[in-house]
Amino acid sequence: GDQVEQSPSALSLHEGTGSALRCNFTTTMRAVQWFRKNSRGSLINLFYLASGTKENGRLKSAFDSKERYSTLHIRDAQLEDSGTYFCAAGNSGTYQRFGTGTKLQVVP
Amino acid sequence: EAAVTQSPRNKVAVTGGKVTLSCNQTNNHNNMYWYRQDTGHGLRLIHYSYGAGSTEKGDIPDGYKASRPSQENFSLILELATPSQTSVYFCASGDEGANTEVFFGKGTRLTVV
Repeated sequence: GDQVEQSPSALSLHEGTGSALRCNFTTTMRAVQWFRKNSRGSLINLFYLASGTKENGRLKSAFDSKERYSTLHIRDAQLEDSGTYFCAAGNSGTYQRFGTGTKLQVVP
Repeated sequence: EAAVTQSPRNKVAVTGGKVTLSCNQTNNHNNMYWYRQDTGHGLRLIHYSYGAGSTEKGDIPDGYKASRPSQENFSLILELATPSQTSVYFCASGDEGANTEVFFGKGTRLTVV
């Protein structure tokens, strides 16, 4: 079965507000990566974590390997944050499996 | 900044035709990957490679071949393209080892008519 379960599948935020995206894993993962697919279709690296938390501007991500989840928090959302967000994680293999994505729309 | 370049960026192919998608990375990464991205499926791994001369099947390899003639180049080949292969394809590269950070190209939009 699927190893990476991402939620929500879609999210609408008003400018200036925030929310969290979540990925649950059905098995222990060694690292997680978060991406945003922008309007031009490019995949932008956001975070890579093997443990703990990382923060970059209005984005913050956490990864708990033991509890099998990762989160991506967005605060003070801006219009340019719109896009589809993906998490990807892997275990003992050499490649990652992706979640199905969260389509985020930020509205005025 | 890691650099992964895909070509072409857009391609229209006819059913039954041969399609080759190319990927070049200048990061000296050992690992390279080909994914396709379809709505509702996220990114699914087609083929990957550990280094020049190596190709491995990913989760959905049927209908695709791969070639890694050098450290820098990794191609995805559709010998007999079908409409079900209409998708956006992403190439990525990453360091050797399990679950290292990967870097993606800008994607190739393939339409098979």
